[in-house]
Amino acid sequence: DGGITQSPKYLFRKEGQNVTLSCEQNLNHDAMYWYRQDPGQGLRLIYYSQIVNDFQKGDIAEGYSVSREKKESFPLTVTSAQKNPTAFYLCASSPAALAGGVDTQYFGPGTRLTVL
Amino acid sequence: EDKVVQSPLSLVVHEGDTVTLNCSYEVTNFRSLLWYKQEKKAPTFLFMLTSSGIEKKSGRLSSILDKKELFSILNITATQTGDSAVYLCAVEGSNYQLIWGAGTKLIIKP
Repeated sequence: DGGITQSPKYLFRKEGQNVTLSCEQNLNHDAMYWYRQDPGQGLRLIYYSQIVNDFQKGDIAEGYSVSREKKESFPLTVTSAQKNPTAFYLCASSPAALAGGVDTQYFGPGTRLTVL
Repeated sequence: EDKVVQSPLSLVVHEGDTVTLNCSYEVTNFRSLLWYKQEKKAPTFLFMLTSSGIEKKSGRLSSILDKKELFSILNITATQTGDSAVYLCAVEGSNYQLIWGAGTKLIIKP
């Protein structure tokens, strides 16, 4: 079945540690996105990638890093520089960001990160 | 600064009631407005609106956009407990990025 998978579902991290969240899609989509969701706030864009080996910062990229070495994979690393990393992280993909129209943006199930 | 504001933040109604959720926006280079339903984890797509005054319908849900007054509404008629969710509004602006509202948490009581 086609879709987006994120792992793990729940993640606990000690302060000062880096952690990497996985996002894989088999939809053959060019564009992939990482969002962060906090209670009472809308989704906020962390990073996005429109093509392999290229990515751009979103609104809240500080303390995060990404890579896009393969079309189907877009891992997000939450570094120790991120001041408040406890949140729900959503990965999404769409066929082609530059084509305009994001109605076909597909979301993964999300990863809930808790920093202890 | 681009922003999307949804109201109310939360709403509790009884089954069978009709609800109207609001989304207002100030976004540079508006391209489209989208409504999503989020039940457990990932949001699922409901509507995309690009033209003013044209209602989109899907069953008991409908939505309309007013580009002059910069808002959209999402209507749900004859609500059911399965409609309980957070409803998110997002606006596509410059660079094809989405600006998201905080969502409206809708609770339908039996």
